[in-house]
Order: sequence, then C-alpha cells, then structure tokens
Amino acid sequence: QQPVQSPQAVILREGEDAVINCSSSKALYSVHWYRQKHGEAPVFLMILLKGGEQKGHDKISASFNEKKQQSSLYLTASQLSYSGTYFCGTGTTSGTYKYIFGTGTRLKVLA
Amino acid sequence: ETGVTQTPRHLVMGMTNKKSLKCEQHLGHNAMYWYKQSAKKPLELMFVYNFKEQTENNSVPSRFSPECPNSSHLFLHLHTLQPEDSALYLCASSQVQENTEAFFGQGTRLTVV
Repeated sequence: QQPVQSPQAVILREGEDAVINCSSSKALYSVHWYRQKHGEAPVFLMILLKGGEQKGHDKISASFNEKKQQSSLYLTASQLSYSGTYFCGTGTTSGTYKYIFGTGTRLKVLA
Repeated sequence: ETGVTQTPRHLVMGMTNKKSLKCEQHLGHNAMYWYKQSAKKPLELMFVYNFKEQTENNSVPSRFSPECPNSSHLFLHLHTLQPEDSALYLCASSQVQENTEAFFGQGTRLTVV
C-alpha cells in the first residue's frame, strides 16, 4: 500500500508557508522526500532515518513521527522554484529492496 | 545530469509495434527499478532488479518485459500495448542498502496510438 499524502494539491503565493503530510498504514523505518518538476526526473530532497528526527536545508525541512507512521515536509517562505510535485517514499527490505512512493502533492507557487 | 540516462525521451508507437526503452546508470548501483507515472497518478512500481536478478514483478501485464543484462543497464521491452499504457516510464537505481536514496532518470514519455 502506498503512503497517502495530503493535501493532494496546494497553491501558494511567494513567501507563504506550506506543510505536506505523509501517512502510512504500514510501519515506516525511514522516510524519503523527493520533488519532481514538470517534465523532469524526481530529485531527492532528504531522508529521515528514525522517529523524532528533523532535518532541513535552505527553507525546506521535514519531521518523522515513527509511532504515528507519519512524516511532514515544511516549506517556509516559498519561492517560485519550489513548484512541483512532492513525493514521500520509503525504502523497504521485505523480500527485496525497493522504494514505495506516496500519492504525491502538487505544489504551485505564484508570483 | 542525474547519473541515470533513459532513451528515448519520447516514443510514439502503434498497438502492434514492438519497441524497447533503455536505462543506463553510471553510479555503481546494484539495484534498478521501472516505475510507471500516469497523468495525475502516483508513481507505480513495476519491476525491481537487485544484483541483476528480477526480484519483483508488481502484477505487470506480460506485454511489458524487462531485461537486465548487467548491473548498469535495464531495458523494458514493449509489445502489443494498449492506449492506456501511455504514460511516463521512469527508471531509477540505488544501492541495495537500507537508508539510501533512489536516483531517477528523466523518463520516457510513451504514447500508444
């Protein structure tokens, strides 16, 4: 089962903040976040390895609540370059090593 | 340049055609993946190769046939596709190791007519 992301889509003005949530029905042992701009490959943003961990670079950060099987991505003071589709994902080793990605959140930042 | 290269970038094929998608990675990874991305839908995992061995087929129709001749190359052979198979096909690679990220190619935009 794919992790479920919310919201499905969000429109912001430059400088506004946004939060994207990722929730899994299965245990999450790590959470990955990726961004895909239109017509481009998904690009890795960050990985959170354990519950309670928070990470960030520039004005994008994330948290991981292992007990709740949830992760959130925080975008502050959004820029036009933040537009794209954001995916959470998890690596799993059950039987074979693979990545399962969430349902995706389309983010559009307007000038 | 992501280190994962897919060709062709765009492909239009008829339902009776046979074509192949190619993926090549120069990152020294030992796992490769095919994903399907349809319009406004999540990334769907199709096939997984760990150390050149196919370790997962996610209930993909037999008209899609993967091939992994070595750890750097991955192919997706296509035949008698349907219009609903039109999508962006993404290749990715990684280490077979927990807590490492996947690297994606630019994808092949496939249109079946």
